[in-house]
Amino acid sequence: QKEVEQNSGPLSVPEGAIASLNCTYSDRGSQSFFWYRQYSGKSPELIMSIYSNGDKEDGRFTAQLNKASQYVSLLIRDSQPSDSATYLCAVKGPQFGGGTRVLVKP
Amino acid sequence: EAQVTQNPRYLITVTGKKLTVTCSQNMNHEYMSWYRQDPGLGLRQIYYSMNVEVTDKGDVPEGYKVSRKEKRNFPLILESPSPNQTSLYFCASTPGTSGNNEQFFGPGTRLTVL
Repeated sequence: QKEVEQNSGPLSVPEGAIASLNCTYSDRGSQSFFWYRQYSGKSPELIMSIYSNGDKEDGRFTAQLNKASQYVSLLIRDSQPSDSATYLCAVKGPQFGGGTRVLVKP
Repeated sequence: EAQVTQNPRYLITVTGKKLTVTCSQNMNHEYMSWYRQDPGLGLRQIYYSMNVEVTDKGDVPEGYKVSRKEKRNFPLILESPSPNQTSLYFCASTPGTSGNNEQFFGPGTRLTVL
Protein backbone atom coordinates (compact mmCIF):
# COMPACT_ATOMS: atom_id res chain seq x y z
CA GLN A 1 0.00 0.00 0.00
CA LYS A 2 1.30 3.42 -0.95
CA GLU A 3 1.75 5.91 1.86
CA VAL A 4 -0.24 8.57 0.02
CA GLU A 5 -3.02 7.65 -2.39
CA GLN A 6 -4.83 9.79 -4.94
CA ASN A 7 -7.19 9.00 -7.76
CA SER A 8 -5.21 9.60 -10.94
CA GLY A 9 -8.20 10.97 -12.86
CA PRO A 10 -8.69 12.70 -15.13
CA LEU A 11 -11.34 14.57 -13.22
CA SER A 12 -13.36 16.46 -15.79
CA VAL A 13 -15.44 19.41 -14.55
CA PRO A 14 -17.33 22.13 -16.42
CA GLU A 15 -16.20 25.69 -16.06
CA GLY A 16 -17.73 27.31 -12.99
CA ALA A 17 -18.32 24.02 -11.18
CA ILE A 18 -16.65 22.69 -8.05
CA ALA A 19 -13.78 20.24 -8.42
CA SER A 20 -13.33 17.88 -5.47
CA LEU A 21 -10.04 16.04 -5.01
CA ASN A 22 -9.29 13.46 -2.35
CA CYS A 23 -6.14 12.07 -0.81
CA THR A 24 -5.70 9.33 1.78
CA TYR A 25 -2.57 8.57 3.78
CA SER A 26 -1.35 5.68 5.88
CA ASP A 27 0.80 7.25 8.61
CA ARG A 28 -1.45 8.23 11.51
CA GLY A 29 1.31 10.34 13.00
CA SER A 30 1.41 12.75 10.05
CA GLN A 31 1.04 16.37 11.09
CA SER A 32 1.56 18.40 7.94
CA PHE A 33 -0.31 18.22 4.66
CA PHE A 34 0.13 20.08 1.41
CA TRP A 35 -1.55 20.50 -1.95
CA TYR A 36 0.58 21.43 -4.96
CA ARG A 37 -0.48 22.29 -8.50
CA GLN A 38 1.67 21.17 -11.40
CA TYR A 39 1.18 22.26 -14.96
CA SER A 40 2.45 19.93 -17.65
CA GLY A 41 6.24 20.07 -17.89
CA LYS A 42 6.51 22.53 -15.00
CA SER A 43 7.51 22.22 -11.38
CA PRO A 44 4.99 21.81 -8.55
CA GLU A 45 3.87 24.96 -6.76
CA LEU A 46 2.20 25.13 -3.38
CA ILE A 47 -1.53 25.91 -3.25
CA MET A 48 -2.43 25.11 0.33
CA SER A 49 -0.97 23.76 3.52
CA ILE A 50 -3.08 22.44 6.40
CA TYR A 51 -2.08 21.17 9.80
CA SER A 52 -5.28 20.99 11.88
CA ASN A 53 -8.54 19.14 11.46
CA GLY A 54 -11.24 21.07 9.67
CA ASP A 55 -11.36 23.43 6.73
CA LYS A 56 -8.91 26.04 5.52
CA GLU A 57 -9.94 28.45 2.80
CA ASP A 58 -7.80 30.55 0.49
CA GLY A 59 -9.61 32.27 -2.33
CA ARG A 60 -11.31 29.66 -4.50
CA PHE A 61 -9.47 26.82 -2.77
CA THR A 62 -10.54 24.97 0.38
CA ALA A 63 -8.49 22.25 2.01
CA GLN A 64 -10.19 19.85 4.39
CA LEU A 65 -8.38 17.60 6.84
CA ASN A 66 -9.75 14.66 8.81
CA LYS A 67 -6.95 12.98 10.76
CA ALA A 68 -9.25 10.35 12.29
CA SER A 69 -10.21 9.11 8.83
CA GLN A 70 -6.75 9.84 7.42
CA TYR A 71 -7.82 11.88 4.45
CA VAL A 72 -7.26 15.34 3.14
CA SER A 73 -9.26 16.92 0.34
CA LEU A 74 -9.09 19.96 -1.89
CA LEU A 75 -12.10 21.81 -3.27
CA ILE A 76 -11.73 24.20 -6.19
CA ARG A 77 -14.75 26.48 -6.47
CA ASP A 78 -15.75 28.29 -9.66
CA SER A 79 -13.31 26.15 -11.65
CA GLN A 80 -11.55 27.92 -14.52
CA PRO A 81 -9.79 26.46 -17.58
CA SER A 82 -6.54 27.75 -16.04
CA ASP A 83 -7.11 25.29 -13.16
CA SER A 84 -6.49 22.41 -15.57
CA ALA A 85 -3.40 20.78 -14.11
CA THR A 86 -2.25 17.88 -11.98
CA TYR A 87 -2.79 18.31 -8.24
CA LEU A 88 -0.35 16.61 -5.91
CA CYS A 89 -1.09 15.76 -2.31
CA ALA A 90 1.92 15.65 0.01
CA VAL A 91 2.11 14.39 3.56
CA LYS A 92 4.88 15.22 6.06
CA GLY A 93 6.62 17.16 3.30
CA PRO A 94 8.35 14.62 1.08
CA GLN A 95 5.69 11.89 0.72
CA PHE A 96 3.70 12.56 -2.44
CA GLY A 97 0.68 10.93 -3.96
CA GLY A 98 0.63 10.14 -7.65
CA GLY A 99 -1.45 13.21 -8.42
CA THR A 100 -4.93 13.83 -9.80
CA ARG A 101 -5.24 15.31 -13.26
CA VAL A 102 -8.01 17.90 -13.49
CA LEU A 103 -9.54 19.07 -16.76
CA VAL A 104 -11.82 22.12 -16.69
CA LYS A 105 -13.91 22.35 -19.84
CA PRO A 106 -15.20 25.75 -21.04
CA GLU B 1 14.35 36.67 -6.16
CA ALA B 2 14.02 33.59 -3.95
CA GLN B 3 14.54 30.55 -6.11
CA VAL B 4 15.92 27.09 -6.69
CA THR B 5 17.97 26.68 -9.84
CA GLN B 6 18.93 23.50 -11.64
CA ASN B 7 21.28 22.85 -14.51
CA PRO B 8 21.10 21.56 -17.11
CA ARG B 9 17.38 21.75 -17.90
CA TYR B 10 17.62 19.09 -20.59
CA LEU B 11 20.23 16.39 -21.01
CA ILE B 12 20.58 13.49 -23.41
CA THR B 13 23.42 11.12 -22.62
CA VAL B 14 24.53 7.53 -23.16
CA THR B 15 24.66 4.60 -20.81
CA GLY B 16 27.63 4.68 -18.46
CA LYS B 17 28.72 8.27 -18.99
CA LYS B 18 28.97 9.98 -15.61
CA LEU B 19 26.93 13.13 -15.19
CA THR B 20 26.12 15.73 -12.55
CA VAL B 21 22.98 17.81 -12.22
CA THR B 22 23.54 20.92 -10.15
CA CYS B 23 21.05 22.46 -7.74
CA SER B 24 21.36 25.73 -5.88
CA GLN B 25 19.00 27.67 -3.61
CA ASN B 26 19.28 31.22 -2.30
CA MET B 27 16.76 31.00 0.56
CA ASN B 28 19.16 29.72 3.24
CA HIS B 29 17.08 26.55 3.62
CA GLU B 30 18.55 23.71 5.64
CA TYR B 31 16.68 20.83 4.00
CA MET B 32 17.14 19.90 0.35
CA SER B 33 15.84 16.98 -1.68
CA TRP B 34 16.08 15.35 -5.06
CA TYR B 35 13.02 13.75 -6.66
CA ARG B 36 12.34 11.89 -9.83
CA GLN B 37 8.96 12.01 -11.50
CA ASP B 38 7.73 9.24 -13.76
CA PRO B 39 4.27 8.84 -15.33
CA GLY B 40 1.88 7.13 -12.94
CA LEU B 41 4.43 7.04 -10.11
CA GLY B 42 4.33 10.62 -8.92
CA LEU B 43 7.26 12.28 -7.19
CA ARG B 44 9.66 9.91 -5.47
CA GLN B 45 12.40 11.14 -3.20
CA ILE B 46 15.90 10.01 -4.21
CA TYR B 47 18.09 11.58 -1.54
CA TYR B 48 17.74 14.33 0.98
CA SER B 49 19.96 16.47 3.17
CA MET B 50 19.00 18.01 6.49
CA ASN B 51 22.04 20.25 6.59
CA VAL B 52 25.61 20.65 5.41
CA GLU B 53 27.49 17.33 5.34
CA VAL B 54 24.31 15.41 6.32
CA THR B 55 22.70 13.33 3.59
CA ASP B 56 20.42 10.30 3.62
CA LYS B 57 18.66 7.96 1.25
CA GLY B 58 15.11 8.54 0.18
CA ASP B 59 12.81 5.99 -1.41
CA VAL B 60 14.73 5.33 -4.64
CA PRO B 61 18.47 5.98 -4.04
CA GLU B 62 19.97 3.18 -6.15
CA GLY B 63 22.26 4.48 -8.89
CA TYR B 64 22.55 8.00 -7.48
CA LYS B 65 24.94 9.94 -5.26
CA VAL B 66 24.70 13.35 -3.66
CA SER B 67 26.88 15.68 -1.65
CA ARG B 68 26.22 18.73 0.52
CA LYS B 69 29.42 20.66 1.04
CA GLU B 70 27.73 24.05 1.13
CA LYS B 71 24.30 24.98 2.39
CA ARG B 72 23.12 26.38 -0.94
CA ASN B 73 24.26 23.56 -3.24
CA PHE B 74 23.07 19.97 -3.53
CA PRO B 75 24.32 18.27 -6.71
CA LEU B 76 22.95 14.94 -7.95
CA ILE B 77 25.52 12.55 -9.43
CA LEU B 78 24.84 9.60 -11.69
CA GLU B 79 28.09 7.65 -11.79
CA SER B 80 26.99 5.20 -14.49
CA PRO B 81 23.59 6.20 -15.89
CA SER B 82 21.28 3.55 -17.27
CA PRO B 83 18.14 3.86 -19.44
CA ASN B 84 15.88 3.25 -16.42
CA GLN B 85 17.12 6.55 -15.01
CA THR B 86 15.46 8.41 -17.85
CA SER B 87 13.10 10.68 -15.98
CA LEU B 88 12.18 14.22 -14.96
CA TYR B 89 14.23 15.30 -11.94
CA PHE B 90 13.38 18.02 -9.46
CA CYS B 91 15.48 19.57 -6.75
CA ALA B 92 13.62 21.13 -3.82
CA SER B 93 14.48 23.07 -0.70
CA THR B 94 12.55 23.43 2.54
CA PRO B 95 13.02 25.62 5.61
CA GLY B 96 13.97 23.78 8.79
CA THR B 97 15.66 20.42 9.18
CA SER B 98 12.69 18.04 9.39
CA GLY B 99 11.50 18.31 5.79
CA ASN B 100 7.93 18.71 7.06
CA ASN B 101 7.33 22.11 5.53
CA GLU B 102 6.48 23.64 2.19
CA GLN B 103 8.90 22.66 -0.54
CA PHE B 104 10.25 25.05 -3.13
CA PHE B 105 11.02 23.30 -6.38
CA GLY B 106 13.52 23.99 -9.08
CA PRO B 107 12.40 24.09 -12.74
CA GLY B 108 13.28 20.44 -13.38
CA THR B 109 15.85 18.55 -15.46
CA ARG B 110 14.63 16.23 -18.15
CA LEU B 111 17.18 13.44 -18.52
CA THR B 112 17.27 10.88 -21.31
CA VAL B 113 19.74 8.00 -21.10
CA LEU B 114 20.22 6.12 -24.36
